[in-house]
Amino acid sequence: EPEVTQTPSHQVTQMGQEVILRCVPISNHLYFYWYRQILGQKVEFLVSFYNNEISEKSEIFDDQFSVERPDGSNFTLKIRSTKLEDSAMYFCASSEGQLTSGMPDTQYFGPGTRLTVL
Amino acid sequence: AQKVTQAQTEISVVEKEDVTLDCVYETRDTTYYLFWYKQPPSGELVFLIRRNSFDEQNEISGRYSWNFQKSTSSFNFTITASQVVDSAVYFCALIRKGNQGGKLIFGQGTELSVKP
Repeated sequence: EPEVTQTPSHQVTQMGQEVILRCVPISNHLYFYWYRQILGQKVEFLVSFYNNEISEKSEIFDDQFSVERPDGSNFTLKIRSTKLEDSAMYFCASSEGQLTSGMPDTQYFGPGTRLTVL
Repeated sequence: AQKVTQAQTEISVVEKEDVTLDCVYETRDTTYYLFWYKQPPSGELVFLIRRNSFDEQNEISGRYSWNFQKSTSSFNFTITASQVVDSAVYFCALIRKGNQGGKLIFGQGTELSVKP
């Protein structure tokens, strides 16, 4: 069964450093997402991406964050200058985006990247 | 504004007990979609079910069942004859109609511990 994959599984970085989290969405999916989960808290939406553009973003997704689809398979989240509070599990998700009835498709999640900022 | 509340932070049961996880949501939309996801100790988020707001039929899948009641804005999840492998954090989530590419709004999650 197709699945979303993410690398690395765990990233440790120093405060102020740039990090890039990588995701390979399910191959026929058109919508891609990033969510984050601070330890012990709920999952929060960061951004969605469709047709090489940001579709929606949350207030968390400020200028320090950017997303890119550099090729036909990868989807990346870049944090330019990491802060301690960026430590969290980052989940990538994708959805088919084929339905035209107005029903949102199910979002399928990857296993997550645990980011630790020291 | 939309909101999902899972009031039960932690539940502990003994294997073979039935357990119900509560989910209450708030939305002004008349059409919306509700989801349950499971997060086992390994950390990934696993999709369990999706329901449309206009379909209030209960659903059963093996030991899992879901009770959707629009009148009380609840979408509760019952595990029958729980097993140790059911131990996980369970999240209820909401998304509005037409929100292709839009955000899932998650509840705080309920941590279920099933003891042998």
